Amino acid sequence: KAGVTQTPRYLIKTRGQQVTLSCSPISGHRSVSWYQQTPGQGLQFLFEYFSETQRNKGNFPGRFSGRQFSNSRSEMNVSTLELGDSALYLCASSFRGGGSSYNEQFFGPGTRLTVL
Amino acid sequence: DQQVKQNSPSLSVQEGRISILNCDYTNSMFDYFLWYKKYPAEGPTFLISISSIKDKNEDGRFTVFLNKSAKHLSLHIVPSQPGDSAVYFCAAAGAGSYQLTFGKGTKLSVIP
Repeated sequence: KAGVTQTPRYLIKTRGQQVTLSCSPISGHRSVSWYQQTPGQGLQFLFEYFSETQRNKGNFPGRFSGRQFSNSRSEMNVSTLELGDSALYLCASSFRGGGSSYNEQFFGPGTRLTVL
Repeated sequence: DQQVKQNSPSLSVQEGRISILNCDYTNSMFDYFLWYKKYPAEGPTFLISISSIKDKNEDGRFTVFLNKSAKHLSLHIVPSQPGDSAVYFCAAAGAGSYQLTFGKGTKLSVIP
């Protein structure tokens, strides 16, 4: 079974631009979460999408947004880029079955975004 | 306010010995705990998890122990192998939530 894929793997943008990152989950997984990893803050949760709806949102400004398509693929968008947005952006997918049981999240390789 | 803490930034262990990585949490609403391993330039790889209703879970060389009263969990790797050298992250989730809160990681070096 193919793992989580993220495109592009590397991206260089300048301040003020916007960027869209893409994530394809493991086949059959319906939940996609996004995380930002920086040296100072570590891994921080951005948001989770399940059945095309945002279920949870982390403590990030509104410049960070996302969406999920009917095939469970997800995109995240960052508008008006700032230098501090330089980070590794990770996508994780999960089966997210019914009930309260938890299903592990599996991560993609990430997109390295550099803002100049 | 760090809700998940890994107080040891690094750990060195001889090959064949036991590696013990520790993690403390402050949020009593956390219901599920996971350990991930990460190599540079790669995404985290899921290792093992434990529900709050258990105190131990084993998978091959990896065992996770949970002490709810102390809000502490640990990952034991026995025996340690050079390929285990990586950064290990502890993560926690609340009941029914898929929002993971991560610790800052512990870099494990297994010396041949």
